[in-house]
Amino acid sequence: GNSVTQTEGPVTLSEEAFLTINCTYTATGYPSLFWYVQYPGEGLQLLLKATKADDKGSNKGFEATYRKETTSFHLEKGSVQVSDSAVYFCALSDQGAGSYQLTFGKGTKLSVIP
Amino acid sequence: GAVVSQHPSWVICKSGTSVKIECRSLDFQATTMFWYRQFPKQSLMLMATSNEGSKATYEQGVEKDKFLINHASLTLSTLTVTSAHPEDSSFYICSAIGQRYNEQFFGPGTRLTVL
Repeated sequence: GNSVTQTEGPVTLSEEAFLTINCTYTATGYPSLFWYVQYPGEGLQLLLKATKADDKGSNKGFEATYRKETTSFHLEKGSVQVSDSAVYFCALSDQGAGSYQLTFGKGTKLSVIP
Repeated sequence: GAVVSQHPSWVICKSGTSVKIECRSLDFQATTMFWYRQFPKQSLMLMATSNEGSKATYEQGVEKDKFLINHASLTLSTLTVTSAHPEDSSFYICSAIGQRYNEQFFGPGTRLTVL
């Protein structure tokens, strides 16, 4: 079956530090890949996505590249802010471009300190 | 963007009682709604998928008679936990997809504690 493994948190960084949250997956087909973010007290929000190999998703300074050869979709940001503190979930869907039937990683809690 | 709400945001109940959780799409019609369960430091686990006007499709291992799902309208789905036990204590999250969108929009979740 499908599975997603991501960096086990919590991750604590100083403001303006570089962020990497690793995500690797196993899937039977050619999945679409997603990063979701959950701010305190709120629901999950789609941060970025990529639907095929070598695609790069980007949003709000975050980016991730779909690497089929390493089955990875690592999330990066060059300079984090306190407002980036949240829980980040990597997910995949094997339904093509849609996000039907998502499989999630366990989530990585990020805390950014001033 | 599309907004999904859940009510209540938290609930405490006694063992043996039933609890109903509502999931509403506030500004769009949701053709499909999903219910997830999340344990501390665990993934979101899909429990069931519901389409408006039809029976929910449950994932393997989820007791359909215990977790009753109703999707009676295009803006409302309900999850009823029947005869609740302490092991049902968890964080329940819903999401919805509408015809205008190709992504799931998530509710803020409901924390259920069964004493």
